Amino acid sequence: GQQVMQIPQYQHVQEGEDFTTYCNSSTTLSNIQWYKQRPGGHPVFLIQLVKSGEVKKQKRLTFQFGEAKKNSSLHITATQTTDVGTYFCAAAYSSASKIIFGSGTRLSIRP
Amino acid sequence: DTAVSQTPKYLVTQMGNDKSIKCEQNLGHDTMYWYKQDSKKFLKIMFSYNNKELIINETVPNRFSPKSPDKAHLNLHINSLELGDSAVYFCASSPRGAVSTDTQYFGPGTRLTVL
Repeated sequence: GQQVMQIPQYQHVQEGEDFTTYCNSSTTLSNIQWYKQRPGGHPVFLIQLVKSGEVKKQKRLTFQFGEAKKNSSLHITATQTTDVGTYFCAAAYSSASKIIFGSGTRLSIRP
Repeated sequence: DTAVSQTPKYLVTQMGNDKSIKCEQNLGHDTMYWYKQDSKKFLKIMFSYNNKELIINETVPNRFSPKSPDKAHLNLHINSLELGDSAVYFCASSPRGAVSTDTQYFGPGTRLTVL
């Protein structure tokens, strides 16, 4: 079946360092969404990418969708303690009626 | 007002029991879902309903039975609970039936512990 691989599984950074998580699919995606789940919380939608090569920014967060629409990344510049949580990509395939969540990257930060 | 609400928040029960989790959304959305998140944080879709009609039924044991009395409610009943059912169950909703392009709004989750 369709799968989306997300790496790394964990990332522990010093506050102020940058952070990146990647999602990769073996088949072309219709679109990709990103969600953030704080510890003890529920996933919250961050953004959706639809176009090939699309780049979107939200303050310190930069989201990219690959040219081939098979991969995506989320980059956080100068992490802050409020960035702690698990970041999930959620891949949509035109042939499917659902989105498939990546395994998530858990970000922890040393103050 | 909470957009997607679930009850109970915590559920601790013995193996073999039957339990239900309830979900309600006040967003006017057409589609609702149940997801299971295990201890490793994997988030897997279980069921999806669009306007009370079942549209996604993943490979889930038939001990799990969803019910949607109306498009604002989606309940999950679990029979003969097993240890492996311990997880956080999230309800979610999305505006339309075109699932793959819609944002999903998650409820706060129900942490189920089976002893």
